[in-house]
Amino acid sequence: DAKTTQPPSMDCAEGRAANLPCNHSTISGNEYVYWYRQIHSQGPQYIIHGLKNNETNEMASLIITEDRKSSTLILPHATLRDTAVYYCIVRVSRDDKIIFGKGTRLHILP
Amino acid sequence: SQTIHQWPATLVQPVGSPLSLECTVEGTSNPNLYWYRQAAGRGLQLLFYSVGIGQISSEVPQNLSASRPQDRQFILSSKKLLLSDSGFYLCAWSTHRGYNSPLHFGNGTRLTVT
Repeated sequence: DAKTTQPPSMDCAEGRAANLPCNHSTISGNEYVYWYRQIHSQGPQYIIHGLKNNETNEMASLIITEDRKSSTLILPHATLRDTAVYYCIVRVSRDDKIIFGKGTRLHILP
Repeated sequence: SQTIHQWPATLVQPVGSPLSLECTVEGTSNPNLYWYRQAAGRGLQLLFYSVGIGQISSEVPQNLSASRPQDRQFILSSKKLLLSDSGFYLCAWSTHRGYNSPLHFGNGTRLTVT
């Protein structure tokens, strides 16, 4: 079973920041939080990952709470091309199995 | 740089026919390899993963099998396809024991069983 909980869908206005939440209350040890997205009919695309500290790259920012029980993916200026299903995954240390949950379907509204 | 190749892109097969989907990775050695399936409108289901040649872990009992005959080659097979085998099949790789490295996906094979 996936170790994360995400809202099934969200809307965001084009040009605004999209904030996608993820709960991973059972996270422990050296378990990384990963975010991927899947645009219709394509393979999932890696976005960002982190362990404890907040992370930023050219695509997004990842904010992890101090207790590491939840995180937020931030797309700073959403465009229509950001419409996709976003998956939050906890990568269990010492386990090569990677399970995807149902993700959040993000709709960017023009 | 590393690349992952998956073929064919689309496939239409009759019920009861065999299946062979191939995935190869270039530019890395000893990767972890994964097969996922996505039914229409559904999420990603992990089918098999492999941490080395000849080492296959199966996640879902079904009429599919996987093999890893070479370090960077992962094959998904079936002796007799079912209608329920239709879906979008994705191969992926990550660094071996790389918990601090992401999955990289291929472009997928869309299989329709008729």
